[in-house]
Amino acid sequence: GAVVSQHPSWVICKSGTSVKIECRSLDFQATTMFWYRQFPKQSLMLMATSNEGSKATYEQGVEKDKFLINHASLTLSTLTVTSAHPEDSSFYICSARDRVAAGSTEAFFGQGTRLTVV
Amino acid sequence: GNSVTQMEGPVTLSEEAFLTINCTYTATGYPSLFWYVQYPGEGLQLLLKATKADDKGSNKGFEATYRKETTSFHLEKGSVQVSDSAVYFCALKGGSNYKLTFGKGTLLTVNP
Repeated sequence: GAVVSQHPSWVICKSGTSVKIECRSLDFQATTMFWYRQFPKQSLMLMATSNEGSKATYEQGVEKDKFLINHASLTLSTLTVTSAHPEDSSFYICSARDRVAAGSTEAFFGQGTRLTVV
Repeated sequence: GNSVTQMEGPVTLSEEAFLTINCTYTATGYPSLFWYVQYPGEGLQLLLKATKADDKGSNKGFEATYRKETTSFHLEKGSVQVSDSAVYFCALKGGSNYKLTFGKGTLLTVNP
């Protein structure tokens, strides 16, 4: 099956610094990637939709300047948490849709990144 | 808008017990429905899906039937195992934007 890889799996950073999370589709090309945030014992909340070669579409309430998304190629999207604060600590998960399988309803998920801001 | 209401947990069962996790949805049109599983410390894995009314998705002994008349997609398994302990998410995809709307998740713990 299709594989989506996220890196790093976990990261600890100091308050005020920026952290970049990578999401790669390993064996398919992803026109669209999605970034989710998951709080403890809660569901996944969609943060933004990332389309290759264009600006990301952010969900209501998500700060564009704080969560920078870049989707420069068909296999890579990055999420940068800028000037991170402890309240940004969370589990971030990406998913990707296969460009070739146009009729597919399935999105493939990365393993997630645990961000802890101290 | 779209929404998913999922049975709140946690659910604790003994091995070989019968499992049901309820899921109902609200959506316009004809959404596709999914169950995802999240094992501790990992991302989500697709467990099963159904794309139209009366379809039954099945995988690893789990089943769910797309019931349009009751707007439901309940997850069932006849005999759970310890290895089934995880968080289960019901989700739907409506329209052409490929966004998934998730329920809050149900933590299942299976004891030996």
